[in-house]
Amino acid sequence: EVQLVESGGGLVQPGGSLRLSCAASGFTFSDYYMTWVRQAPGKGLEWVANINEDGSDKYYEESLKGRFTISRDNAKNSLYLQMNTLRADDTAVYYCARKGYRDYWGQGTLVTVSS
Amino acid sequence: QSALTQPASVSGSPGQSITISCTGSSSDVGGYNYVSWYQHHPGKAPKLMIYDVTKRHSGVSNRFSGSKSGNTASLTISGLQAEDEADYYCSSYRSSGTYVFGPGTKVTVL
Repeated sequence: EVQLVESGGGLVQPGGSLRLSCAASGFTFSDYYMTWVRQAPGKGLEWVANINEDGSDKYYEESLKGRFTISRDNAKNSLYLQMNTLRADDTAVYYCARKGYRDYWGQGTLVTVSS
Repeated sequence: QSALTQPASVSGSPGQSITISCTGSSSDVGGYNYVSWYQHHPGKAPKLMIYDVTKRHSGVSNRFSGSKSGNTASLTISGLQAEDEADYYCSSYRSSGTYVFGPGTKVTVL
């Protein structure tokens, strides 16, 4: 069974940093593109970033480039999202998902940016 | 602001068919056959329903179908059921490895 479990969310002050993790199981992690998607309170889904199978290609929503970094550790079956210089409008539930078209999703982890 | 447009809400009675549109441009929906649709019940993980415009994800009821004409993709739900009440999002590949979501459509079963 494919499982994706996000962690690392929490309350952070504006300007702070946070690193989200996504633990994958039930499939050969190194064979799949991975994705981060977020949903701000009361808003729709927003694509954040993708990373290819070996981590050599990374793609970002234009507005997040330079602040967010996607990475992966295939030996640990884990996906990461490093978020820097966080702002209030980064407050959202962050989901990791498998493949470019996101066939399986985690339950999400809540990031709250507030003083 | 999303580059894709969807109706804010669509409703139908049980057993009816409804269609949700997703309009983009030749740079996304019209330019690639990489449109996907997701069902999202608040508080739960989104579920993939349709990918590559017309392909049904494993385990998804055949009451759900996808299509595309020009810059507009569509999701049709036939034989509407109470459990179909949810938010539905389209997504399209747009270029250079990037993607975009539509703003979402709230489906109400009357």
